[in-house]
Amino acid sequence: QSALTQPASVSGSPGQSITISCTGTSSDVGGYNYVSWYQQHPGKAPKLMIYDVSNRPSGVSNRFSGSNSGNTASLTISGLQAEDEADYYCSSYTRSSTYVFGTGTKVTVL
Amino acid sequence: QVQLQQWGAGLLKPSETLSLTCAIYDESYAGSLSGYYWSWIRQPPGKGLEWIGEINHSGSTNYNPSLKSRVTISLDTSKNQFSLKLSSVTAADTAVYYCARDLGSASDYWGQGTLVIVSS
Repeated sequence: QSALTQPASVSGSPGQSITISCTGTSSDVGGYNYVSWYQQHPGKAPKLMIYDVSNRPSGVSNRFSGSNSGNTASLTISGLQAEDEADYYCSSYTRSSTYVFGTGTKVTVL
Repeated sequence: QVQLQQWGAGLLKPSETLSLTCAIYDESYAGSLSGYYWSWIRQPPGKGLEWIGEINHSGSTNYNPSLKSRVTISLDTSKNQFSLKLSSVTAADTAVYYCARDLGSASDYWGQGTLVIVSS
């Protein structure tokens, strides 16, 4: 299974909104509403930010939102803050009953 | 509050078998393995995440096709633990390995990570 495609980097100024894309195929992202997003700070374990495309776990800021369209899912961070600077990974359930992660996106707050 | 505590050998030689265990601590109730899948995920140094596989409370497993021939994930319900074995390791298996609890299709609780280095 091939990794989902994400942009290597995305940047924005404090207060701005940014969007990270996650492109797969009809066998994963496009076939199921089972896309999740993780935030990872250096040296730390990933943290779940969005599950099932657009649901936020308890305690996650509502500045984080998810959506999908066809074979591409998206994570939007609004009101960008310094602590949002991290790596972000998407993940999707696949037709083979497995999971696949995205290539990862480094978010820089300018 | 759920906590995952993992451990295992951190330095292996090529061809050896990687073995990691993850203990589940759940303050909310006993029998905390039920109703969830339990996963292993790895991350080579400086690289992205790779899903290894998962197991549910009844022992049903799913594995990454690229690792399937070398991977075994097992469960010990009496100890509230699950384990990963990866055979015939090479330098390409050097990574931080994480255990995680799956809430439906996403991993909501993660272990602290274990760095495993494969070197002769």
